[in-house]
Amino acid sequence: NAGVMQNPRHLVRRRGQEARLRCSPMKGHSHVYWYRQLPEEGLKFMVYLQKENIIDESGMPKERFSAEFPKEGPSILRIQQVVRGDSAAYFCASSPRTLQETQYFGPGTRLLVL
Amino acid sequence: AQTVTQSQPEMSVQEAETVTLSCTYDTSESDYYLFWYKQPPSRQMILVIRQEAYKQQNATENRFSVNFQKAAKSFSLKISDSQLGDAAMYFCAYRISRADKLIFGTGTRLQVFP
Repeated sequence: NAGVMQNPRHLVRRRGQEARLRCSPMKGHSHVYWYRQLPEEGLKFMVYLQKENIIDESGMPKERFSAEFPKEGPSILRIQQVVRGDSAAYFCASSPRTLQETQYFGPGTRLLVL
Repeated sequence: AQTVTQSQPEMSVQEAETVTLSCTYDTSESDYYLFWYKQPPSRQMILVIRQEAYKQQNATENRFSVNFQKAAKSFSLKISDSQLGDAAMYFCAYRISRADKLIFGTGTRLQVFP
């Protein structure tokens, strides 16, 4: 059973470009969470999604950031018009359809904005 | 507001010795979950151990055990017989319910010396 998959693992963008980060949850998992880790800091919650629904986006910046989890395919975190402050590691976690207390994390995507 | 505090930015331990990492949290909830995650240099987030607040018995996983003091809102991690591979950042995390986001502390960097 493959773990949580994230791609790309590393992404370099210039200021003003768009960044698309993908997350495929573990098989049988329908709950997806996105977290951001700034350098030398802990992880901060961004958004919680189920298939086709955003459940909690209280941690998402109000502008430029959006997330989706379509019926088919991976969850996407999209950052428009990136700025240097968006440079961070972005982690995706998933938990099962029947909900367990544990979230399983992917390897993360390291975004560097030049 | 729920907060998680890790007051030790760095800790070190000799190989084969025991070390304890501290974590305190603030909540008004009675039912919640607590976790310790390990983040090695690869930056993958790895679940070390978890504790349900309703359980009085402290969780153990091989060389890892917790000291859960609900009244004091304390959740420390004890690593016995430390190994070089234990060197990593350790994050304490809290979750209100199975469908909620994780709230992380700022982490403790553990060094293991031979």
